[in-house]
Amino acid sequence: GESVGLHLPTLSVQEGDNSIINCAYSNSASDYFIWYKQESGKGPQFIIDIRSNMDKRQGQRVTVLLNKTVKHLSLQIAATQPGDSAVYFCAENRAPEGQGGKLIFGQGTELSVKP
Amino acid sequence: DGGITQSPKYLFRKEGQNVTLSCEQNLNHDAMYWYRQDPGQGLRLIYYSQIVNDFQKGDIAEGYSVSREKKESFPLTVTSAQKNPTAFYLCASSIRSGWQFFGPGTRLTVL
Repeated sequence: GESVGLHLPTLSVQEGDNSIINCAYSNSASDYFIWYKQESGKGPQFIIDIRSNMDKRQGQRVTVLLNKTVKHLSLQIAATQPGDSAVYFCAENRAPEGQGGKLIFGQGTELSVKP
Repeated sequence: DGGITQSPKYLFRKEGQNVTLSCEQNLNHDAMYWYRQDPGQGLRLIYYSQIVNDFQKGDIAEGYSVSREKKESFPLTVTSAQKNPTAFYLCASSIRSGWQFFGPGTRLTVL
């Protein structure tokens, strides 16, 4: 069925290393993708977004890559820090332009940073 | 500071009771949303509203009700018809075509 899913439920990295979190989506009509970070007991926080007319977008220490050919999205975190430990969700927006965001969330990947 | 407030942070309900979760935003966003999150899971959409006095069912609306009488407010009522209401409830808001800004959540437990 239509869904946004993640390849790995957990990811453990060493402090200072780069992290890569992957996400697969199944609806080729989706035009907008978002990555969120959720710490335990808190609401998700926006990290970065990308529209389908782009392949790559960079923020502070984060990069999102979009491969529409294979319907794959990834979040790269450079020089991972203990404060990056959280669950990361990708979400896709299938709503027509201008009609608000009805997001479909993946299950999430738990990132654990070892000191 | 602009943001979303949800209250209460923790809520306990006896079986058969209706409870209402509050969500208020001062971001001047048109759209507001309610999600449910179960342990180790992603977020599932309950209801959303793109404009005052209008709202639509999401993927899991059964047993829930909402109202949108003011732009700033989008309360969610969990009715006794919701058979498994224990979960973490998240409210969000957005401009029409942007990313959603989330509140801190309300954890509801049925006793």
